[in-house]
Amino acid sequence: QQPVQSPQAVILREGEDAVINCSSSKALYSVHWYRQKHGEAPVFLMILLKGGEQKGHEKISASFNEKKQQSSLYLTASQLSYSGTYFCGTASSARQLTFGSGTQLTVLP
Amino acid sequence: DTAVSQTPKYLVTQMGNDKSIKCEQNLGHDTMYWYKQDSKKFLKIMFSYNNKELIINETVPNRFSPKSPDKAHLNLHINSLELGDSAVYFCASSQWGTSGGTDTQYFGPGTRLTVL
Repeated sequence: QQPVQSPQAVILREGEDAVINCSSSKALYSVHWYRQKHGEAPVFLMILLKGGEQKGHEKISASFNEKKQQSSLYLTASQLSYSGTYFCGTASSARQLTFGSGTQLTVLP
Repeated sequence: DTAVSQTPKYLVTQMGNDKSIKCEQNLGHDTMYWYKQDSKKFLKIMFSYNNKELIINETVPNRFSPKSPDKAHLNLHINSLELGDSAVYFCASSQWGTSGGTDTQYFGPGTRLTVL
């Protein structure tokens, strides 16, 4: 089942912060975050594993609440380059990623 | 060095034709995937291969047939193309997760298929 992302879209000014949420109805092993710019492939940002391990870019932070099967991606002091569509992908016992519908982030100067 | 590559980047064809998309990864990963991204940007898994064996086969018409000649290659052949097949097809690769679930997936640049 597809995870639910919110908000669907957000518009920011440079320097502002944003939070993107992802929730699943399934028990999860991991949550993955990707960013996709128009006409390009999704690019890995972060993976959060059950048990607390995280791997990803230093400037990106995220949380994973295993009890609630929810994850949040925190974008602080946003830059123009942060614009794009953010996808969360959730992995359960099926060992595959199921992606949310995406959150379109626009950062304005 | 390109980690995951796909050919062709663009594919325009008529309904009813048969076409193939090729994917290669040089990351040493043992798992490869095909995703379909529709016009609404929804990314949906189609197939997954681990060490050349099919492990995920979502509800995809049997006109789509993946083939993995070795761990570094995963091709997608589509028969009798239909208008609804128009989409961007992404190949991805990862290492099989040891802690359960899949490890980081690296995506190819995508193949934009347009069926006329």
